[in-house]
Amino acid sequence: GQNIDQPTEMTATEGAIVQINCTYQTSGFNGLFWYQQHAGEAPTFLSYNVLDGLEEKGRFSSFLSRSKGYSYLLLKELQMKDSASYLCAVRASGGSYIPTFGRGTSLIVHP
Amino acid sequence: DGGITQSPKYLFRKEGQNVTLSCEQNLNHDAMYWYRQDPGQGLRLIYYSQIVNDFQKGDIAEGYSVSREKKESFPLTVTSAQKNPTAFYLCASNTGDSNQPQHFGDGTRLSIL
Repeated sequence: GQNIDQPTEMTATEGAIVQINCTYQTSGFNGLFWYQQHAGEAPTFLSYNVLDGLEEKGRFSSFLSRSKGYSYLLLKELQMKDSASYLCAVRASGGSYIPTFGRGTSLIVHP
Repeated sequence: DGGITQSPKYLFRKEGQNVTLSCEQNLNHDAMYWYRQDPGQGLRLIYYSQIVNDFQKGDIAEGYSVSREKKESFPLTVTSAQKNPTAFYLCASNTGDSNQPQHFGDGTRLSIL
């Protein structure tokens, strides 16, 4: 099976930088996704990492270290609208290609 | 605009009743999925379908049933055998390629009367 860990909740200040971590244990690894989900809404895709390193997309960046079973999502210049849940999803190699989701990290941005 | 439409947004079920949640996509995606989301929990996979007329059980299929008669449609029936159906249900689709993200509908919130 897979084990995916994320902090349950984080708070940060508008304009600041926040790092949301995701650690995983899988039987093989074949990609990691990050999604954003506002309360009561659909998750929306943020990033995909399959190789080690940093992927940057505007204010959001995602990092992966396969040897450590670790990823983080970095949000810069935080805005109030970034208050949401951030879901980490990991796909194991072999077997089903469907990613397994972590429990999500609820981020609260305050003024 | 292409997307995934789930209906209804809110649904109430009486004890012993079956209810069906609708999911339609016009993205021409081969693969479709149903997830259940409970407070403080991640998304848990109920059923998925990689191609028309074929579907597979996910991690929590008991008490649910699906059909995939058309590429665009993947309805989920919550049967009376599902003893704790109150949850937020999300439908998703993608091309089926392993590196492609899933596109999600806006969800249906099911409650028991």
